[in-house]
Amino acid sequence: DAGVIQSPRHEVTEMGQEVTLRCKPISGHDYLFWYRQTMMRGLELLIYFNNNVPIDDSGMPEDRFSAKMPNASFSTLKIQPSEPRDSAVYFCASTLDRAYGYTFGSGTRLTVV
Amino acid sequence: GENVEQHPSTLSVQEGDSAVIKCTYSDSASNYFPWYKQELGKGPQLIIDIRSNVGEKKDQRIAVTLNKTAKHFSLHITETQPEDSAVYFCAAKPAGDKFYFGSGTKLNVKP
Repeated sequence: DAGVIQSPRHEVTEMGQEVTLRCKPISGHDYLFWYRQTMMRGLELLIYFNNNVPIDDSGMPEDRFSAKMPNASFSTLKIQPSEPRDSAVYFCASTLDRAYGYTFGSGTRLTVV
Repeated sequence: GENVEQHPSTLSVQEGDSAVIKCTYSDSASNYFPWYKQELGKGPQLIIDIRSNVGEKKDQRIAVTLNKTAKHFSLHITETQPEDSAVYFCAAKPAGDKFYFGSGTKLNVKP
């Protein structure tokens, strides 16, 4: 199994541009989570899906952030327009069952200049 | 909601010594406690977990203990090696789907 796959690994963009982060969960995992990691705030849960349906998006910081999961093998996190304070590492994680721990992807390091 | 506190924030030990990282949680309904190791440039990796019906669990050089009454759990690493150097996160899961993470401990094992 290739694990949770995220792309791109690194993204540098200018303020105001649209950014799309991508995630492929482990096949068969019903839950998918998007996290943001910064030094100041640690790991923050942004949104999670169960069976492709968004369950809780209370962690999404602003309307500039949106996430979709069109099918069981793909999810996107979009920021439009991006701002310098969005700079962080964004992780996607998946799990087969909520009773178990997550498998995290390698993350996307986003830098907004 | 659940609140997880983790100490210390940094820990430096000599190779071969033991390391202990402690976490407390607030929600007595929490019943699952995983620990993650995050190496530089990588995502957190699950290394060991414990459920509320167990007091201790071991896996080679690492062990986790849980005290439900006091609402705290700890990670113990024995015979530390340089490759144990990383950031370690504890987490707790109450009822529902979400985990609540501690703030992380940066462990440095000096050769």
